[in-house]
Amino acid sequence: NAGVTQTPKFQVLKTGQSMTLQCAQDMNHEYMSWYRQDPGMGLRLIHYSVGAGITDQGEVPNGYNVSRSTTEDFPLRLLSAAPSQTSVYFCASRRGGRGEAFFGQGTRLTVV
Amino acid sequence: GENVEQHPSTLSVQEGDSAVIKCTYSDSASNYFPWYKQELGKGPQLIIDIRSNVGEKKDQRIAVTLNKTAKHFSLHITETQPEDSAVYFCAASRITQGGSEKLVFGKGTKLTVNP
Repeated sequence: NAGVTQTPKFQVLKTGQSMTLQCAQDMNHEYMSWYRQDPGMGLRLIHYSVGAGITDQGEVPNGYNVSRSTTEDFPLRLLSAAPSQTSVYFCASRRGGRGEAFFGQGTRLTVV
Repeated sequence: GENVEQHPSTLSVQEGDSAVIKCTYSDSASNYFPWYKQELGKGPQLIIDIRSNVGEKKDQRIAVTLNKTAKHFSLHITETQPEDSAVYFCAASRITQGGSEKLVFGKGTKLTVNP
């Protein structure tokens, strides 16, 4: 099992550009989520999904879109990148939405 | 909503000493409290967790204690080793209406174990 796979690992964007961060898991977990990690701020929930076709907002959703068409994939879209979105992004999955969260290796995004 | 405070933000200990990290939470309905370890350049990884029906849980050199009345929980690492150096996150969650647990994380503690 690969677990949770995130691509790309690093990305530099110009202000106003759009892009999609990819997340895939092979554990058949229903629950998937996206976090951003900023220095001194811990992990903050952006969006989450409790199953295919169902998504909801977390603590800091503005500027991000998600969709969940399959159990395996949960992409995060930045519609118009801003310097404030410079961060490390982590995707996580959990079986049944409870217990241990399995995290990907992260995507380090810089918006210039 | 839930708010989790974590202290200290940095902790430096000598190899072999103990390390203690403390967290407080605000939502009395929270019932699941995991601890994650994040090594440099990697994603967080669960090291131990506790549910509100127990007061203490131990796994080799790591233990977690929970005081529901005071709404705080702590991570204890004994006989620290250089490989324990990492950032540690606490989290708290409750069951949502949909039946899932939405984790709220503390801001992290950078632990350095000096040889």
